[in-house]
Amino acid sequence: AQTVTQSQPEMSVQEAETVTLSCTYDTSESDYYLFWYKQPPSRQMILVIRQEAYKQQNATENRFSVNFQKAAKSFSLKISDSQLGDAAMYFCAYRRFQGAQKLVFGQGTRLTINP
Amino acid sequence: NAGVTQTPKFQVLKTGQSMTLQCAQDMNHNSMYWYRQDPGMGLRLIYYSASEGTTDKGEVPNGYNVSRLNKREFSLRLESAAPSQTSVYFCASSYRGTSGQTYEQYFGPGTRLTVT
Repeated sequence: AQTVTQSQPEMSVQEAETVTLSCTYDTSESDYYLFWYKQPPSRQMILVIRQEAYKQQNATENRFSVNFQKAAKSFSLKISDSQLGDAAMYFCAYRRFQGAQKLVFGQGTRLTINP
Repeated sequence: NAGVTQTPKFQVLKTGQSMTLQCAQDMNHNSMYWYRQDPGMGLRLIYYSASEGTTDKGEVPNGYNVSRLNKREFSLRLESAAPSQTSVYFCASSYRGTSGQTYEQYFGPGTRLTVT
């Protein structure tokens, strides 16, 4: 079974600085998807970024980028120029490429932005 | 376009009571899911429906039943609520292509359920 681990329960960063959230996963499959979701206090789950395992290029969405290390099974999220609105819980998630469609989530990292 | 909607937003039950959580999506998605989120944890899959007329168990199905009423609606029923089912419940939906390829899951706002 696939597992996702986020080893940082909490992180904090000064506004406008850069922060990196860590995620590792375990799978025996070669094709899969990895995601970062943001959950603000409103509880809404918001997709931040997606990475396909077959793509070597790291995904980027504006101030959000990932460092995908397939051999190491590592998938970290970098947030540049942190803003107060980035404060939230961040969840790393895994999904198989095909077949069973469930998302497997990590435990989450609570990110605090200090003004 | 409302996306994924869930009712109710909050609910308090006594042990042994039953209730149904409702979920609907207007994005013409064929796959739908129910997750639960316990304090300090990520979401865990309860049940999912890959397409209308099919349902499958997820990671934590015990104590729950589901019904895929039509393409738009997917309900979750607690027949005899227990305190261990106190959680936040999320419904989600996604599009599944004819080749089996699936796309992003979109989540509803969640239902906070407390069982006393």
